Amino acid sequence: ETGVTQTPRHLVMGMTNKKSLKCEQHLGHNAMYWYKQSAKKPLELMFVYNFKEQTENNSVPSRFSPECPNSSHLFLHLHTLQPEDSALYLCASSQRGKASGGGSTDTQYFGPGTRLTVL
Amino acid sequence: RKEVEQDPGPFNVPEGATVAFNCTYSNSASQSFFWYRQDCRKEPKLLMSVYSSGNEDGRFTAQLNRASQYISLLIRDSKLSDSATYLCVVNAYSGGYQKVTFGIGTKLQVIP
Repeated sequence: ETGVTQTPRHLVMGMTNKKSLKCEQHLGHNAMYWYKQSAKKPLELMFVYNFKEQTENNSVPSRFSPECPNSSHLFLHLHTLQPEDSALYLCASSQRGKASGGGSTDTQYFGPGTRLTVL
Repeated sequence: RKEVEQDPGPFNVPEGATVAFNCTYSNSASQSFFWYRQDCRKEPKLLMSVYSSGNEDGRFTAQLNRASQYISLLIRDSKLSDSATYLCVVNAYSGGYQKVTFGIGTKLQVIP
């Protein structure tokens, strides 16, 4: 049972469509993330939100637009995508902070992902 | 040099074997380290965090060598169910910003 849910699980869209991916975390975490996973490439961090504020945007094209209305929900709005944007999009959440002994508690928990195909 | 490097494999090992994976990282300011497991067409799931003193969880042992900037994962007595891709994850923090970097993953196939 995952504490992070994503919808839809599969999405096929044309290059002129507008769609949104939704992520919800039920873990009480304060940080949420969007990742892109393409075949034969490592996971690529796209966006990070801490306490609803975007703290990172790793040179992601503007056709991807994140939205974080509260600490439990995260959206990724998509418009005029390209075929090379086809990938698995994963959402994750974590509790930013420090564990006793100096280690980080920043373990990330992933949702099941949305498999996106752009035609 | 890649920020996080892993041998993509595949590592094909017989049941019961011991197998070890290494992962090297380039950012000396990295502060936390993890091994994740990802099954085919599934999301990554945390296998274990990696601490400076090393840590063990059943058949799995993780170690960190900060001087040489690598982490390792040792799996003893491999089971068929261990077949998966093992992802090395490195976190660095600077000025309140977090940089999370994943390795490409090492594919393990345990064969009967």
